[in-house]
Amino acid sequence: DTGVSQDPRHKITKRGQNVTFRCDPISEHNRLYWYRQTLGQGPEFLTYFQNEAQLEKSRLLSDRFSAERPKGSFSTLEIQRTEQGDSAMYLCASSLKRERWRETQYFGPGTRLLVL
Amino acid sequence: KQEVTQIPAALSVPEGENLVLNCSFTDSAIYNLQWFRQDPGKGLTSLLLIQSSQREQTSGRLNASLDKSSGRSTLYIAASQPGDSATYLCAVKCPYNNDMRFGAGTRLTVKP
Repeated sequence: DTGVSQDPRHKITKRGQNVTFRCDPISEHNRLYWYRQTLGQGPEFLTYFQNEAQLEKSRLLSDRFSAERPKGSFSTLEIQRTEQGDSAMYLCASSLKRERWRETQYFGPGTRLLVL
Repeated sequence: KQEVTQIPAALSVPEGENLVLNCSFTDSAIYNLQWFRQDPGKGLTSLLLIQSSQREQTSGRLNASLDKSSGRSTLYIAASQPGDSATYLCAVKCPYNNDMRFGAGTRLTVKP
């Protein structure tokens, strides 16, 4: 399978616990994006990497959220001290850097987080 | 700030019908517009990407149009099938940042 993969697919945790999600992009893609999607809404941008550099972060990404892409390949998204409002689907996407008007993002299956 | 709206929020049609999904955006300064399909509990699958200089794109039974000046796009699905049942999302890529702005989607049900 050469698509974007995410692990785990589902995560249930108690409020206050830390969670970490992993995303493996398509191998030759140098851009990686994280989005959050709540029920009935479209995805909202969280952050994006070009190779290992985190180039942009949304205001949605509070201090409790941190993302890394240490070797420019896979990425992790950690949420510390989870809150019930963090319950959502976390989506990862990757793309190949090219002219912005024709860049296509390819999405993974997502990690569904439920905070009790 | 770019706002993306999709109407209707839900649509139910009988099999075989042609249908149109609508997407509107508030800022016409976009690089491209993309239509995605999302099945329940799953990720997004890209259907069509229209560059800002293009007016339409076609793939099989799907045709997407873009009118940048009026801030509108439509996704036309011909001869709908039950397998087309899913949520369809449109997203625009803005020139002032690197993210995409999504609409909330249209949930389509095609009844056999």
